[in-house]
Amino acid sequence: ILNVEQSPQSLHVQEGDSTNFTCSFPSSNFYALHWYRWETAKSPEALFVMTLNGDEKKKGRISATLNTKEGYSYLYIKGSQPEDSATYLCASNNAGNNRKLIWGLGTSLAVNP
Amino acid sequence: GAGVSQTPSNKVTEKGKYVELRCDPISGHTALYWYRQSLGQGPEFLIYFQGTGAADDSGLPNDRFFAVRPEGSVSTLKIQRTERGDSAVYLCASSSGDRVNEQFFGPGTRLTVL
Repeated sequence: ILNVEQSPQSLHVQEGDSTNFTCSFPSSNFYALHWYRWETAKSPEALFVMTLNGDEKKKGRISATLNTKEGYSYLYIKGSQPEDSATYLCASNNAGNNRKLIWGLGTSLAVNP
Repeated sequence: GAGVSQTPSNKVTEKGKYVELRCDPISGHTALYWYRQSLGQGPEFLIYFQGTGAADDSGLPNDRFFAVRPEGSVSTLKIQRTERGDSAVYLCASSSGDRVNEQFFGPGTRLTVL
């Protein structure tokens, strides 16, 4: 994998459903994986930064895991709420140029009440 | 504390005009980034400043785009002879410059070129 890829592109769920998205990234020379949430008309908000294989992070109902050997990360939302509706972006940076984040196209989540 | 701010929030201009977009980073953050996001795309890197100098400007699409950060704080992205394809949301982010490079974003400037 040369680019950061996210799936699905969009997702519609009902309030209370749990859901997850995938981010695939280049595993060679990996340094860190970032997850952001971007709500319309607001600033992208940093959710997690993970660096170690096997890392798991949690913030409220949202959690993320990291597999650096195979180059993927999962973001989970438990019991989705309408306020979770947003675009979820992941980005990776590598040890060779850790200043430049390589971004996926995002997963657009809509939670219906 | 104050986050990253960007002005204006919206800018509508005509093809061929010059525009300036401003970014005020988090106080004390040494690194500042400009991105552009077009509809349906992820953020596209434009330029990165470390202090006052542009450390990486490889993402600037052509010589109509230029950015400055003269005092190592506020940055201005300048676009000359705007084209309709320049229409996008221009995002600014800052970071403390540590190795993990967690970036904090402003709300963006939505540029529309008619």
